[in-house]
Amino acid sequence: SAVISQKPSRDICQRGTSLTIQCQVDSQVTMMFWYRQQPGQSLTLIATANQGSEATYESGFVIDKFPISRPNLTFSTLTVSNMSPEDSSIYLCSVEDLPSIRANYGYTFGSGTRLTVV
Amino acid sequence: TQLLEQSPQFLSIQEGENLTVYCNSSSVFSSLQWYRQEPGEGPVLLVTVVTGGEVKKLKRLTFQFGDARKDSSLHITAAQPGDTGLYLCAGAQAGGFKTIFGAGTRLFVKA
Repeated sequence: SAVISQKPSRDICQRGTSLTIQCQVDSQVTMMFWYRQQPGQSLTLIATANQGSEATYESGFVIDKFPISRPNLTFSTLTVSNMSPEDSSIYLCSVEDLPSIRANYGYTFGSGTRLTVV
Repeated sequence: TQLLEQSPQFLSIQEGENLTVYCNSSSVFSSLQWYRQEPGEGPVLLVTVVTGGEVKKLKRLTFQFGDARKDSSLHITAAQPGDTGLYLCAGAQAGGFKTIFGAGTRLFVKA
């Protein structure tokens, strides 16, 4: 399965500022996914990023707030813009593992970025 | 909208006890995955089940997919402190690529 390097691992930011999170994958992948996870809670999909096209955002998430870049097949960034304390969360990137056997299907995740907005 | 209900939300047990975590939905999934997440890390895939009625074993963990592919369970035998973590089930929509996650079960195994 793929290996994902995500950074920063954590940050404390002032409200009104922006933070860009980076994910580097060790292999070429078609789609990359960005999730938000409140501490101790499940994952909520923010958007799906394809190389060469605009990201597809889920209901409740907009491009102005969470702009995404996908310049090539191994890299993506998520920016959290104009942050407020409500944006404090863990942000995760992910890629699909598409093995030859469907029984091994799943996702590989980065280690996450713990964001605190003060 | 497909939903995955996961229970219990929290479980605190003694080392050596057995436990079962449930994942239920009214919708059919083409496959269902189980992940474990430890603090400061992303979820790590434990197993994927794809066939109705399927049972998979991973050491002391037993995973079962319901006959109708709407539900799944994770049973841990003789839990150990190393099993502590957040367990997440995730269902892949039939006919699509979107995967939805359950709310998670936070397990704490006391030595």
